[in-house]
Amino acid sequence: EIVLTQSPGTLSSSPGERATLSCRASQSVNNDYLAWYQQKPGQAPRLLIYGASRRATGIPDRFSGSGSGTDFSLTISRLEPEDFAVYYCQQYGSSLWTFGQGTRVEI
Amino acid sequence: QVQLVQSGTEVKKPGASVRVSCKSSGYTFTGDYIHWVRQAPGQGLEWMGWLNPNNGDTNFAHKFRGRVTMTGDTSINTAYMELHRLTSDDTAVYYCARGGLPALDSWGQGTLVTVSS
Repeated sequence: EIVLTQSPGTLSSSPGERATLSCRASQSVNNDYLAWYQQKPGQAPRLLIYGASRRATGIPDRFSGSGSGTDFSLTISRLEPEDFAVYYCQQYGSSLWTFGQGTRVEI
Repeated sequence: QVQLVQSGTEVKKPGASVRVSCKSSGYTFTGDYIHWVRQAPGQGLEWMGWLNPNNGDTNFAHKFRGRVTMTGDTSINTAYMELHRLTSDDTAVYYCARGGLPALDSWGQGTLVTVSS
């Protein structure tokens, strides 16, 4: 199965700053089928990005995804107070889907 | 709008089985796969597998093979996940999600399953 490694484990930032989260795959992700999810305490995850760079419906344009093959990133251009949460990458290019271990973005 | 509504909290003893339901509305139930994802307390997300409600096909993560069953009832637009031979390590919130993109674009609210003697 494809192992996804996210870095950093925790990112300490301030509102208004730019945040860049990394996701590295142990092997190439077919078709760049890589998604990013946001999860806040006590809530279900929410899809932000799919296909490595496509924003899901209703997602603000301060969220952007990039990358291909084995290296992907999620960028939040200017952190809003509601963006402090845990972010997970997930690959769905193989028959066995996998998640990264998550990056916590904290104030 | 798309909604997935899951069944309520479960408390089970070690060795027992648990069944969680996930009722879908707002889209064609047979048109998209239903995935199951779990999250142990304070831990990350773990993909368990998917169900194709159109024909009943399933695919499971290796660690759950032989211990999980996923089924669907198209007459009531409901998917089910059953996990057998529970241990304390199975204590988690279990989510169903629609594989619409096919990334997981809609999620249920989660069902807490606690395994304790």
